[in-house]
Amino acid sequence: DAGVTQSPTHLIKTRGQQVTLRCSPISGHKSVSWYQQVLGQGPQFIFQYYEKEERGRGNFPDRFSARQFPNYSSELNVNALLLGDSALYLCASSFPGGGEYFGPGTRLTVT
Amino acid sequence: QKEVEQNSGPLSVPEGAIASLNCTYSDRVSQSFFWYRQYSGKSPELIMSIYSNGDKEDGRFTAQLNKASQYVSLLIRDSQPSDSATYLCAVEDRGSTLGRLYFGRGTQLTVWP
Repeated sequence: DAGVTQSPTHLIKTRGQQVTLRCSPISGHKSVSWYQQVLGQGPQFIFQYYEKEERGRGNFPDRFSARQFPNYSSELNVNALLLGDSALYLCASSFPGGGEYFGPGTRLTVT
Repeated sequence: QKEVEQNSGPLSVPEGAIASLNCTYSDRVSQSFFWYRQYSGKSPELIMSIYSNGDKEDGRFTAQLNKASQYVSLLIRDSQPSDSATYLCAVEDRGSTLGRLYFGRGTQLTVWP
C-alpha cells in the first residue's frame, strides 16, 4: 500500500511570497495533520483535519491555513513568507489511537 | 503547554551494546506514547507505540512506560550502525483521539563499529 505522499519535495521561495504544499493520506485514513520541523527540534503541530473539518490548530499565525478535500487529500498554505518559515513541513495521516504516519516532507527554504 | 523532555544527547554506543533513550512528559492523563526514528534528511518513522504500564517488546526494541512517574523509555538491544539516527519521543494529546502529537527535541544516537 502507498504511504503518505507529499509534493513538492523541495521548494525555494523569497520573503513575502506565498506557498502551497500538498499531501495525500494513506488509503483509508480520514485524518490529516500538518507539522513543522525546524532543524534540531521535534515536529510541531500546525493543523489537523478530519472529514474535511478542522479539528485542531497549533500555535501558528493566521498566515498559515489549510484545507482538506473530499478525497481526504490536503493543502497547507503559507502567506507572506518569513525567513523563519524555513523548515521541513510534514504531513501525517492516522487512524484513531494508532499514531501518526508521516510523509517524506517538503523542505521549504525562504531566502 | 504540554512538555515532552528527552535526555540530552548525543548518545554514542559501540556495536552490540544496549542503547537507552529516555523521555518524560508533563500531561499526567496522557494515554498513548510513541517512538519515532528519524534519519538525517528524512521524515520520522514510527517504530514503537505503547499504551499500558510495563514493557512492550518488538524485535530488538523494547518500550517501557511508567505512567505514575510520567516516564517512557526505549531500549535498543544489540545496537547496529544502521540504528544511528535521531529518536523522537511523542505523546498523544489527551483531548484528541485522532493522533495529534507533542514531540520532544529528539536524542541523536550514534552506534560505532
